[in-house]
Amino acid sequence: RKEVEQDPGPFNVPEGATVAFNCTYSNSASQSFFWYRQDCRKEPKLLMSVYSSGNEDGRFTAQLNRASQYISLLIRDSKLSDSATYLCVVIEGWNNNDMRFGAGTRLTVKP
Amino acid sequence: EPEVTQTPSHQVTQMGQEVILRCVPISNHLYFYWYRQILGQKVEFLVSFYNNEISEKSEIFDDQFSVERPDGSNFTLKIRSTKLEDSAMYFCASSEEAGGSTDTQYFGPGTRLTVL
Repeated sequence: RKEVEQDPGPFNVPEGATVAFNCTYSNSASQSFFWYRQDCRKEPKLLMSVYSSGNEDGRFTAQLNRASQYISLLIRDSKLSDSATYLCVVIEGWNNNDMRFGAGTRLTVKP
Repeated sequence: EPEVTQTPSHQVTQMGQEVILRCVPISNHLYFYWYRQILGQKVEFLVSFYNNEISEKSEIFDDQFSVERPDGSNFTLKIRSTKLEDSAMYFCASSEEAGGSTDTQYFGPGTRLTVL
């Protein structure tokens, strides 16, 4: 079975810290990539899509390396509200809308 | 902001009973999905639905499961004869398209199914 693998975590960081999460995917045909966040017992919510050129949204930066089949998420100046589980998600194929989720990396930001 | 809604929020049923989980996708979305998440485990794809038919399904989505769009707004997941291992959070999602810049899937709040 094709896999999406993430840092197991948990990450416990102080407010203001910079933290990075990594994710690898095994299917080289994968076409779309996302980071979702999931709070405890809630639904996944889109954090950001990940583009080949890399993209930034405020304190969040996502990078994609197709050659290494690797995705990263960088959070700068972390806030207490960033505490959540971060899910790496991959869609395999242009007409395939089957999203494959990683197991998630738990982040706790402490005062 | 438009959102996906799901009912009920929590469903408790006896093993062997049929359950129907309901979802109202975002109104201009054309693709609909069901996922499940067993407690403490990762989110798993079940099925996708487009143009009134299943476009893909996973190995989890066996003959016990079926989906339907009975009208212009609802999208349902039926489990015919529930098993203990069907206990999970079931998420509905929808997207404008599949593939391309508008393939982002938006999730409903989920239905927690407990099979006793």
